[in-house]
Amino acid sequence: GAVVSQHPSWVICKSGTSVKIECRSLDFQATTMFWYRQFPKQSLMLMATSNEGSKATYEQGVEKDKFLINHASLTLSTLTVTSAHPEDSSFYICSASDGEQYFGPGTRLTVT
Amino acid sequence: GENVEQHPSTLSVQEGDSAVIKCTYSDSASNYFPWYKQELGKRPQLIIDIRSNVGEKKDQRIAVTLNKTAKHFSLHITETQPEDSAVYFCAALAQAGTALIFGKGTTLSVSS
Repeated sequence: GAVVSQHPSWVICKSGTSVKIECRSLDFQATTMFWYRQFPKQSLMLMATSNEGSKATYEQGVEKDKFLINHASLTLSTLTVTSAHPEDSSFYICSASDGEQYFGPGTRLTVT
Repeated sequence: GENVEQHPSTLSVQEGDSAVIKCTYSDSASNYFPWYKQELGKRPQLIIDIRSNVGEKKDQRIAVTLNKTAKHFSLHITETQPEDSAVYFCAALAQAGTALIFGKGTTLSVSS
C-alpha cells in the first residue's frame, strides 16, 4: 500500500521557537495533502488542505500566519509551527491523497 | 460543511460480546465512509470502509452498514477480543480530493 512518512516523529521545543514538520508520500504522487491536529483524548481536527504549488486552505480558527504550510512538490508538504507556545503541544498528523487518503505516522510536538 | 456525529463516546463490553458504534453525517453529497482504529500514540489505521453505492460490507468480525436516506452508518464488531480495545473513529468524505471529516471517537474497552 501507499506509504506516507512524517519527520520528526517527536519533537520538544522551547516556547517562542519554530518547528518544521515534514510529510512525504514515498511511493506515489499526492495531489493534495491534509494536516490534522489531535489533542489528547480528542478526535482529529482538520487544520488545512494543501495543494501542490498553491496556497493552503485553512479551516476556520486556524491561524495561517502561525501554521505555515508549504507544498513545494507532489511528494512533500511541510508544516511550520511558528512562535510555538505550550498550547500548541499536540499530535500533528498529515495525510496524502491520490484519490485515496493515507495517513502519516504523526508527529508529537511538546512545547515547554 | 460536513459534520459527523459519533456515539457512544465510550463503550465497555465483555469479551465475546458484540459492539456497535453509530455515526451520522450531514452532507448528503458524502459518498465514502471509512472507520479507523487508533491505538495510543499511533496513527489511525483503516479497518473497513464503505461507499455510498453499497448498504453493507463485512470483513471477518467487522461489518459496516450504511443508510443513505437517514445519513447514518454503523460499525459492528462481533466476538470482541481484548485486542479490539482502542479508540475508533468514523469519518465521511464528500468527494475525492477533499478532507476526511472525523467523528469524535469511541473508546472501546473489551474486558476478559
